[in-house]
Amino acid sequence: AQSVTQLGSHVSVSEGALVLLRCNYSSSVPPYLFWYVQYPNQGLQLLLKYTSAATLVKGINGFEAEFKKSETSFHLTKPSAHMSDAAEYFCAVSGPYSSASKIIFGSGTRLSIRP
Amino acid sequence: DVKVTQSSRYLVKRTGEKVFLECVQDMDHENMFWYRQDPGLGLRLIYFSYDVKMKEKGDIPEGYSVSREKKERFSLILESASTNQTSMYLCASRIRDKETGELFFGEGSRLTVL
Repeated sequence: AQSVTQLGSHVSVSEGALVLLRCNYSSSVPPYLFWYVQYPNQGLQLLLKYTSAATLVKGINGFEAEFKKSETSFHLTKPSAHMSDAAEYFCAVSGPYSSASKIIFGSGTRLSIRP
Repeated sequence: DVKVTQSSRYLVKRTGEKVFLECVQDMDHENMFWYRQDPGLGLRLIYFSYDVKMKEKGDIPEGYSVSREKKERFSLILESASTNQTSMYLCASRIRDKETGELFFGEGSRLTVL
């Protein structure tokens, strides 16, 4: 069985500060990992994904995430926060040979940016 | 530009009413999904469909049904709405047999049941 845990339901950082959103996964097979972002009153859109190629994955809007198998983590980072980054972020996991329905989402982390 | 369109952004219904939520995608995707989003619970899968007239239950199918008569359209039906179905409903689509493929989401339908 697969699962994903996002630590911290709400994170607040100052504009220009480092953004770190935490995601830990559990999987008995090599995982595929995703970060999605949801801006207010919108659906989710893909930020980035890990699919067993490079462990450091770069996404849109300056975000990146590093797959660490030893720590079962896939934390999302951005060096310098911008006001437009305020949104809810979801980590998700699936696996090879899994049915399309088996995409497991975390509970989400709301990111607030202080001026 | 790829698009998943949910017909109603906001709905207010009364307990016991039948509710239809419509979703249309223009990407020729085989797989379509209905999720429910609640604060602190993330996204939970209600139903998904991998082809026309084909459907599978997700994690929380009770109280819901679905219909997929055409490839581009996937409807979620609440046969008799209840207050605990007040939520945000998200439709998504994905290309078949691509485990690394991303989900494309609609903007959501916020349903309030009084």
